[in-house]
Amino acid sequence: EAGVTQSPRYAVLQEGQAVSFWCDPISGHDTLYWYQQPRDQGPQLLVYFRDEAVIDNSQLPSDRFSAVRPKGTNSTLKIQSAKQGDTATYLCASSFGTEVFFGKGTRLTVV
Amino acid sequence: QQKVQQSPESLIVPEGGMASLNCTSSDRNVDYFWWYRQHSGKSPKMLMSIFSNGEKEEGRFTVHLNKASLHTSLHIRDSQPSDSALYLCAASGAGNTGKLIFGLGTTLQVQP
Repeated sequence: EAGVTQSPRYAVLQEGQAVSFWCDPISGHDTLYWYQQPRDQGPQLLVYFRDEAVIDNSQLPSDRFSAVRPKGTNSTLKIQSAKQGDTATYLCASSFGTEVFFGKGTRLTVV
Repeated sequence: QQKVQQSPESLIVPEGGMASLNCTSSDRNVDYFWWYRQHSGKSPKMLMSIFSNGEKEEGRFTVHLNKASLHTSLHIRDSQPSDSALYLCAASGAGNTGKLIFGLGTTLQVQP
């Protein structure tokens, strides 16, 4: 069974630039999550979807971050006008039931 | 304040030794606890989960849960260098088991 697929694996931006991250969850998983993991810390939930609906985006910095999952399958997380504080690994995860499976993440560096 | 607190922050044990990691939630709405292991540069992988009071053992790994105190612990016996990793504790509510609240993690180093 294929796992959660993310791209790109790495991104390096200057402050003020925009970037998009793409996620393909495990087939059949109805719930998709985006987490932000700063270096040497635990992941922090940004937003999650059930099918195409946003269930919780309370931790998503809405002025610069946006996330969509239009058909309830793939998802895109976008950062407008990146800041150095956004430097982190962005993990996508999916679930159907109790266990959550993570992708390999996109490591973002903002210089 | 971090809702899921882990201790110690880092731990060094000799190969073959016992590693004990702790985790407590300050959110009384949680019902489930998860332990994930994350090797350097890799994604977190679920190691064990525990939902009921008591103890659960899988191979060299044992987890304990005290629901009254919302405290869980992970014990690794006969530690191996390949166990060196970041261990993440996560908690979730019964109504939404996938919405994981993670702690900051414990970095375990097993010295040969």
